Amino acid sequence: DAGVIQSPRHEVTEMGQEVTLRCKPISGHNSLFWYRQTMMRGLELLIYFNNNVPIDDSGMPEDRFSAKMPNASFSTLKIQPSEPRDSAVYFCASSFYQLGGTVSYEQYFGPGTRLTVT
Amino acid sequence: KNQVEQSPQSLIILEGKNCTLQCNYTVSPFSNLRWYKQDTGRGPVSLTIMTFSENTKSNGRYTATLDADTKQSSLHITASQLSDSASYICVVSAVRSASKIIFGSGTRLSIRP
Repeated sequence: DAGVIQSPRHEVTEMGQEVTLRCKPISGHNSLFWYRQTMMRGLELLIYFNNNVPIDDSGMPEDRFSAKMPNASFSTLKIQPSEPRDSAVYFCASSFYQLGGTVSYEQYFGPGTRLTVT
Repeated sequence: KNQVEQSPQSLIILEGKNCTLQCNYTVSPFSNLRWYKQDTGRGPVSLTIMTFSENTKSNGRYTATLDADTKQSSLHITASQLSDSASYICVVSAVRSASKIIFGSGTRLSIRP
């Protein structure tokens, strides 16, 4: 298996521009997570999908951020308009999880997208 | 408030030596605790995962312990290698919630030859 695939690996954009990050989860996984990592705040969960449905988006910082999962093999995280404080590494992770079941599941992280907003 | 505290923030040891990283948490109700290794420029990779009933788990030279009573965990690395240089992140999950995941700030470990 190729693991979780993210694109692009690096993105440099100017303030105000729209940014779209992409993720392909591991085949067969039904849960997908978007995280943001900065030196100051560490890893933060932004949003979690189960069976393509957003379950918890309480970590999304503000309305400029939106995420979609149109099917089981693809998700996007969009920032519009982008701001310099959005500069971070954005990780996508996937796992198999059954709502109401045991939570001893494993999350597999992608390589991340390093976003720089100037 | 759900929190995960890791210590030390950073650690430098010589190749071949052992070391122990600490994690204290206040997440409740507790479901599981995971240790991740994150190499520079890469995504985190799981080393161990432990539930309430488990108090030790090994993965090669990595051994994690869990004391659910005192809400403490440790990650012991034996006979360190240069490739162990990375950040080690403790992650605690709450019961019945895939998204109540609390991350520690990590310990940055450097192995010197």
